Amino acid sequence: SYELTQPPSVSVYPGQTASISCSGDKLGDTYVCWYQQRPGQSPLLVIYQDDKRPSGIPERFSGSNSGNTATLTISGTQPMDEADYYCQAWDIKTGAFGGGTRLTVL
Amino acid sequence: QVTLRESGPALVKPTQTLTLTCTFSGFSLSTSGMCVGWVRQPPGKALEWLALIDWEDEKYYSSSLETRLTISKDTSKDQVVLTMTNMDPVDTGTYYCARRSYITAYDYWGQGTLVTVSS
Repeated sequence: SYELTQPPSVSVYPGQTASISCSGDKLGDTYVCWYQQRPGQSPLLVIYQDDKRPSGIPERFSGSNSGNTATLTISGTQPMDEADYYCQAWDIKTGAFGGGTRLTVL
Repeated sequence: QVTLRESGPALVKPTQTLTLTCTFSGFSLSTSGMCVGWVRQPPGKALEWLALIDWEDEKYYSSSLETRLTISKDTSKDQVVLTMTNMDPVDTGTYYCARRSYITAYDYWGQGTLVTVSS
């Protein structure tokens, strides 16, 4: 299964763009998804199949995946976006999560 | 609508076996493409993928824990059961069950159940 690496923390001012990376060997060969987790809550899917948004997820959330790196981008970050974000990849049906990134909205 | 709910003991002793049940509704695990999996999270730490079972009863396990894990399903009861043997204090955390559908992601999650391993 994949070993996924994320930066522990990312900070951004409201209205700016936040980018969170997720790296792994040949990550671009598989689908990556992203989850948002607020304190005390279950994870919430925000991006699947690299760049697709589930119903109800704001358009400011976008994703990409190529080579060894997947990226979650939040455009026009809002204070409500402050949370932990986890990438996940699948090796057939065996999964792996990244270590998580704490997004702080300053 | 789709819901999942975890149930099981809140406290287990070291060396004991943990049995968790995920009861779901709003979908069938007999439907092609449907899977249910387990994910855990130690306090203050990252998510950890544990196991997955699919509509064909194929089972997938974390390579680091597969000797301790067993996942099974009871389609008639809409339940998935996870057992973990030889529990240790480091296994303390919140255990989630979640649905993986054809979109290749966990699109619905349970609320999680906190399991503490202590004598």
